[in-house]
Amino acid sequence: KQEVTQIPAALSVPEGENLVLNCSFTDSAIYNLQWFRQDPGKGLTSLLLIQSSQREQTSGRLNASLDKSSGRSTLYIAASQPGDSATYLCAVLDSNYQLIWGAGTKLIIKP
Amino acid sequence: KAGVTQTPRYLIKTRGQQVTLSCSPISGHRSVSWYQQTPGQGLQFLFEYFSETQRNKGNFPGRFSGRQFSNSRSEMNVSTLELGDSALYLCASSLVETGNTGELFFGEGSRLTVL
Repeated sequence: KQEVTQIPAALSVPEGENLVLNCSFTDSAIYNLQWFRQDPGKGLTSLLLIQSSQREQTSGRLNASLDKSSGRSTLYIAASQPGDSATYLCAVLDSNYQLIWGAGTKLIIKP
Repeated sequence: KAGVTQTPRYLIKTRGQQVTLSCSPISGHRSVSWYQQTPGQGLQFLFEYFSETQRNKGNFPGRFSGRQFSNSRSEMNVSTLELGDSALYLCASSLVETGNTGELFFGEGSRLTVL
């Protein structure tokens, strides 16, 4: 059974720092991995989608990597800003075409 | 271009009642998927509809059901509500079936409280 883990559960850093969020999964048979952000009381916003054949994707200050063999993905945020404060979730599309979600990392960027 | 619209945004029900939630996808999107989010279990996949057909279903009891109409709008229904059904219910739309790895666009959710 696929399980997705995100560490740490919460992270607080000063504005301007670069940071890395981690996501691990137990079964390497995935179709893709996606990173989302969720603001309080809101739905989810898709940030990056990495297909199983890809190693990384970039969008602006965000870079996500995928290592299927080790069951790991990282989301790198450069030059963090207070507006980056949110909960970040990763999800893998498993062999049953179902999205399996991590519990999220709550990120706080201090001005 | 309008985003994904979910109604109602908030509702309160009592145990044993039933509830129907609605989701209008982005214009042109044919896939709608539903998710339950709770503090204890996190996000869990409920089901996915594409072209009025249920394409996939998560591990939820039969009290949870859904449907999709010809205009791609979708509804989900929960019958015989239990306290544990209190959650944020999110729907997402996509141009293609999730199995084809389309990008997902989420609504703001319907927050259900069961008393």
